[in-house]
Amino acid sequence: AQSVSQHNHHVILSEAASLELGCNYSYGGTVNLFWYVQYPGQHLQLLLKYFSGDPLVKGIKGFEAEFIKSKFSFNLRKPSVQWSDTAEYFCAVGYGSSNTGKLIFGQGTTLQVKP
Amino acid sequence: DGGITQSPKYLFRKEGQNVTLSCEQNLNHDAMYWYRQDPGQGLRLIYYSQIVNDFQKGDIAEGYSVSREKKESFPLTVTSAQKNPTAFYLCASSPRDRTYEQYFGPGTRLTVT
Repeated sequence: AQSVSQHNHHVILSEAASLELGCNYSYGGTVNLFWYVQYPGQHLQLLLKYFSGDPLVKGIKGFEAEFIKSKFSFNLRKPSVQWSDTAEYFCAVGYGSSNTGKLIFGQGTTLQVKP
Repeated sequence: DGGITQSPKYLFRKEGQNVTLSCEQNLNHDAMYWYRQDPGQGLRLIYYSQIVNDFQKGDIAEGYSVSREKKESFPLTVTSAQKNPTAFYLCASSPRDRTYEQYFGPGTRLTVT
């Protein structure tokens, strides 16, 4: 079965530290990759997306992610985190090119940034 | 403001009762989705609909039912057949040509005792 795995369940960082959250997915041919974020008290929202082309994608608020096809990975990075980045982060994969809208989500990673 | 509304925010029911969760969107999106979120399990797709009067089962549809009579509305019924209904339920919508770019509502937390 198709699956998405986020290895870090709870990450605690100090402000200005660098962030990398891991995301791996099971093989399934064509993939569309996403990171969603849920800030405290807010709706889940799209952080960045990858469909094709440059494997390094940039999203909102200084986040970026790199698609490494050989490793089935789509890790999220930020060079310097801020207290306001405290949130839960979800990696999601849409398999196939038919654009069905079916997303498989990872378990989520809770990021806590200490001021 | 355009967006997705889910009501109520908290819902309590006794075991054996059916309960319907509301989801309304004014984004003019064709596609709508229902997810269930449990701690440590991420989001799992229950049902989705790409167009009015049509919907498909997701990965965990057993014990749930939906209808899509209007473009704006996609209510979810949690039936008494759902063995573990207590969870956080999220509704989402997306444009038909960008179905992976989903916009989420605030969610409904259902507690069944």
